[in-house]
Amino acid sequence: SQQGEEDPQALSIQEGENATMNCSYKTSINNLQWYRQNSGRGLVHLILIRSNEREKHSGRLRVTLDTSKKSSSLLITASRAADTASYFCATGVNTGTASKLTFGTGTRLQVTL
Amino acid sequence: NAGVTQTPKFQVLKTGQSMTLQCAQDMNHNSMYWYRQDPGMGLRLIYYSASEGTTDKGEVPNGYNVSRLNKREFSLRLESAAPSQTSVYFCASSQGGLGNQPQHFGDGTRLSIL
Repeated sequence: SQQGEEDPQALSIQEGENATMNCSYKTSINNLQWYRQNSGRGLVHLILIRSNEREKHSGRLRVTLDTSKKSSSLLITASRAADTASYFCATGVNTGTASKLTFGTGTRLQVTL
Repeated sequence: NAGVTQTPKFQVLKTGQSMTLQCAQDMNHNSMYWYRQDPGMGLRLIYYSASEGTTDKGEVPNGYNVSRLNKREFSLRLESAAPSQTSVYFCASSQGGLGNQPQHFGDGTRLSIL
C-alpha cells in the first residue's frame, strides 16, 4: 500500500510561475524526501526533511512538513522548462531494527515556454 | 563519477526465461536496493541489502532473488520470467539507514516479458 500520495497527479504551468505539489501520508514518519525523475531516467534526490523540521530550502525549492496534518509540500519557484519531470515524495519510517522508505505515485509537472 | 550503473538498459525475454540484472555503485555506499516501477504504482521495493553480506525482502520479493556480490555490486535475478514482471527496474544505493538517508538511483533496466 502507498504511504505517500501526491496531489495533483499532473500540473501544467508556464515558465516563471511557481509550482506547488503536495504529499499526504498515513503513519508517523522519521523523515520525508522529495525526488525528481526526468523521462527515461532514474530518480534524483532533491531534499530530505526530518520529522522535527518544519521547513527547508534548497535553491529554488522550498519544502514544508506538517506532521500534525501528515502532509508536506514542495514549492518550485520561478519554474523553468528544465523543471519538467515527475516529482515523488518518499516517507522514511523506522520499523524496529530497520527503516523503510516508501514512495508515492508522483506528480507530473509540465513547464511550458 | 558514474554513481549507480545498471546493465542492461533494455531487455526482452520470453516467459520462462531467466536473466540477471546487474548493478554497481562507486560511492562506497553500504546499502543497496532493487525497486520496480509500474505505471500508477510508484516505486516498490523488491529486495535490499543493508550492508555487504546481508539481504532482505522488500514489499514485492516473489519471483526474484538477489546477490550482494561485494560492497559495490548487487544483482537481481529472475529465475523464470513471467509477463507480470514486465516493468522498469531501478537499483539504488545509500550510505546507510534504509529510510534515513538519500538514495542514489541508476537509470533503470526496461524489461519486457512476452
